[in-house]
Amino acid sequence: AQTVTQSQPEMSVQEAETVTLSCTYDTSENNYYLFWYKQPPSRQMILVIRQEAYKQQNATENRFSVNFQKAAKSFSLKISDSQLGDTAMYFCAFADGTGKLIFGQGTTLQVKP
Amino acid sequence: DGGITQSPKYLFRKEGQNVTLSCEQNLNHDAMYWYRQDPGQGLRLIYYSQIVNDFQKGDIAEGYSVSREKKESFPLTVTSAQKNPTAFYLCASSIGSGITYSNYGYTFGSGTRLTVV
Repeated sequence: AQTVTQSQPEMSVQEAETVTLSCTYDTSENNYYLFWYKQPPSRQMILVIRQEAYKQQNATENRFSVNFQKAAKSFSLKISDSQLGDTAMYFCAFADGTGKLIFGQGTTLQVKP
Repeated sequence: DGGITQSPKYLFRKEGQNVTLSCEQNLNHDAMYWYRQDPGQGLRLIYYSQIVNDFQKGDIAEGYSVSREKKESFPLTVTSAQKNPTAFYLCASSIGSGITYSNYGYTFGSGTRLTVV
């Protein structure tokens, strides 16, 4: 069975600085997708970024980028120029062959002014 | 605008009662999902449905039931057999199931907070 692990329950960063959230996963599949979702205090889940496993190039969306290491089964999220609105819980997720999403435990990020 | 509507936002259940959480989507998505969120445990899959009139158990289905009589609707019933139902429940949908559609990820509702009183 696939698993997703986020080993950092809580993190904090100063406004305008850079922070990296870690995620590892375990799977025997070769073709899959990885996602980072943001859940702000409103609790609405928002897709931040996605990565296709067969693409070696790391995905980037504005201030958000990933470091995808397929052999190491690692998928970290880097947030540059952190803003107060980035304060949220962040979930790493893996999409298996059925399309189901498997989530990690989440990392609560606090951006401090 | 297309999206997923969950209702109610807050729900209180007495011991021994069954309650039903509503989830409606107008995105024309084939697949729908129910997740439970508890502090420190992330999102855990309760049930999912890949097509109308069909659904499968997820990782924590005990004490829950679902139906999928219409493409747009996927209600979740929390039965009295669920011993610890207090949690935040999220409904989601995706265009389809299978790796072909995995790229699109999910669209989520705004959630229902269920509390046992």
